[in-house]
Amino acid sequence: AQSVAQPEDQVNVAEGNPLTVKCTYSVSGNPYLFWYVQYPNRGLQFLLKYITGDNLVKGSYGFEAEFNKSQTSFHLKKPSALVSDSALYFCAVRDVIKAAGNKLTFGGGTRVLVKP
Amino acid sequence: DTGVSQDPRHKITKRGQNVTFRCDPISEHNRLYWYRQTLGQGPEFLTYFQNEAQLEKSRLLSDRFSAERPKGSFSTLEIQRTEQGDSAMYLCASSLSVGSGSMETQYFGPGTRLLVL
Repeated sequence: AQSVAQPEDQVNVAEGNPLTVKCTYSVSGNPYLFWYVQYPNRGLQFLLKYITGDNLVKGSYGFEAEFNKSQTSFHLKKPSALVSDSALYFCAVRDVIKAAGNKLTFGGGTRVLVKP
Repeated sequence: DTGVSQDPRHKITKRGQNVTFRCDPISEHNRLYWYRQTLGQGPEFLTYFQNEAQLEKSRLLSDRFSAERPKGSFSTLEIQRTEQGDSAMYLCASSLSVGSGSMETQYFGPGTRLLVL
């Protein structure tokens, strides 16, 4: 079975400061990892993904994430947060093994509040 | 706009009524997914199609739920005899798979918010 944990329900950060949103995962095989962002009353918007290769993945809007296999983590980061980054962030995993199917398993989400 | 579209965006119904939602995927995407998201939670997988074939269903998908993708393009999700516990956001996503792997990105629509009174 595959699972994702986002240990923080909410992260508060001042505008211009670094932002980190934590994610840990569990899979039977190797993971495909994704980050999505959700604004109020909207669907999920893709930010970035890790498939293989370089552990540091760069995505949209200045976000990046670091894959750490030994810690089974995929934390989302942004060097300098903007007020407009305030939203709900979801980490998701899909197991590489075929038996796991193609579904994404999501974490519970982390609300990010960036204060001016 | 060439993204995933869903209709309606909002639906209010009374308990016991049937409802149907529609999803139009990104053009030429061969995979289509349905998820359900309740307030304060992450999306949960319901079912997915590759072209017109429904290949996987979650145990969350009770026999009151049925999904179709008759021509491998748009999809419908029907809920029969709705219950208050069905109140949620229903999200559709699509992706383009070019092989047997599953590394492609799923792109989500805006969702249909269902309220069952």
